[in-house]
Amino acid sequence: LAKTTQPISMDSYEGQEVNITCSHNNIATNDYITWYQQFPSQGPRFIIQGYKTKVTNEVASLFIPADRKSSTLSLPRVSLSDTAVYYCLVGYSGGGADGLTFGKGTHLIIQP
Amino acid sequence: NAGVTQTPKFRVLKTGQSMTLLCAQDMNHEYMYWYRQDPGMGLRLIHYSVGEGTTAKGEVPDGYNVSRLKKQNFLLGLESAAPSQTSVYFCASTEWSPSTDTQYFGPGTRLTVL
Repeated sequence: LAKTTQPISMDSYEGQEVNITCSHNNIATNDYITWYQQFPSQGPRFIIQGYKTKVTNEVASLFIPADRKSSTLSLPRVSLSDTAVYYCLVGYSGGGADGLTFGKGTHLIIQP
Repeated sequence: NAGVTQTPKFRVLKTGQSMTLLCAQDMNHEYMYWYRQDPGMGLRLIHYSVGEGTTAKGEVPDGYNVSRLKKQNFLLGLESAAPSQTSVYFCASTEWSPSTDTQYFGPGTRLTVL
C-alpha cells in the first residue's frame, strides 16, 4: 500500500505559482497519482491525475519524474479561492480499493 | 445529472440508536465507497463495493454495515451508534478503466452521536 508524504501547510500570495510536492517511495507499477482539492464542508474534488512525465489540464499541471517516487502539483497564478486542502493519492482502484488512502493533505492558504 | 447525492445532510443520534445513510449516483459507476473524515484528518475508507451485490471492508469497518442492492445506491448502516462515530461521512463512486481512476464525491453527511 503506497503511502504518501506531503507538507502539512503552505502559504502563498495571489498571482503566484504554487508547487506542492508529494513523496511516494513505494509506488507500485499499476498505481496512478491523483490529486484532489477539498473546501470546508464539501467533498473532495478531482484536480488532476497522471501516471508518468507531465500532465496538464485547465487548472493544474502534474509533474512526475522518471522514478515516480514523487510528484509535484503545480497551480499557476493562484487566487484566494484556491485556499483549500490538497490531497495526493497514490493507488489503483481497479478490482477494489487497494491504495485508496488519503493522508492529512496540504492546507494551502492564499493571501491577498 | 446530479452526480453523487447523500441523504441526509445532517443527523444527530443518541448512543445506541441506529440509522442508515443513503448514497445515490446517476453516472452508472460500478465502484462505490464510504469514507469518514474526522476534524483535521484525511478521509478513511470504511467499506466499498465493486458492483451490485458486492461489498468489502476498508480501513475502518468496525461498527458499520453496508449494502449494494442496486447499482446506483450504496447504503451505510450504523446498528448501535457510538460517540466515536461522530464524523462527516462521504460517499464516492468511480468508473475505473486502465486509463482513468477518478472518484466523484458526494457533499457529505454530518453525523453527531451524543
